[in-house]
Amino acid sequence: GEDVEQSLFLSVREGDSSVINCTYTDSSSTYLYWYKQEPGAGLQLLTYIFSNMDMKQDQRLTVLLNKKDKHLSLRIADTQTGDSAIYFCAESIDSSASKIIFGSGTRLSIRP
Amino acid sequence: DTGVSQNPRHKITKRGQNVTFRCDPISEHNRLYWYRQTLGQGPEFLTYFQNEAQLEKSRLLSDRFSAERPKGSFSTLEIQRTEQGDSAMYLCASSFGTGPEAFFGQGTRLTVV
Repeated sequence: GEDVEQSLFLSVREGDSSVINCTYTDSSSTYLYWYKQEPGAGLQLLTYIFSNMDMKQDQRLTVLLNKKDKHLSLRIADTQTGDSAIYFCAESIDSSASKIIFGSGTRLSIRP
Repeated sequence: DTGVSQNPRHKITKRGQNVTFRCDPISEHNRLYWYRQTLGQGPEFLTYFQNEAQLEKSRLLSDRFSAERPKGSFSTLEIQRTEQGDSAMYLCASSFGTGPEAFFGQGTRLTVV
């Protein structure tokens, strides 16, 4: 079945890099996503990667995909206090966004 | 604001009452999705529409839940005879065509007392 798992918490020092990891079970995943949710707010699409790609970079964000191990990571360079949020890893098993399966989220906290 | 709009933002209701939420998608987005998010969890898929057609419903969507998108624009989600277990954040999202990007609204937080 479809399942997405990620660690619950991550604490990093301001200015360091944050790496949030995720594993998924469905080998037919087409797109993999990272969403950000700030307290009391909806989800913000940060980035997504097509399953035939290994890496995608967008400014401070780098996504790495290891399809063999079904492992996805999000690296945030130069982490700032505004990056404090819950980060959700998600997968879509068809070629559109018709049904996205989310993990439980990783809460990123930034310490000075 | 041209993002996905949801109303109301918060709703407190007594157990057994009916509630209705509204979602206005991004203009020209033909697909619209409803998700439910409980505390400490990621969103769970409920249903989605392509234009006015409801194409898929999750088994989470019990008989007390109904969603409509009558003209292929805004959508409503109604919960009848609310139960305490219905307390959650209800999120709406929209996308264009068969593209992979789904954009979420701010959600409606339902509290059943």
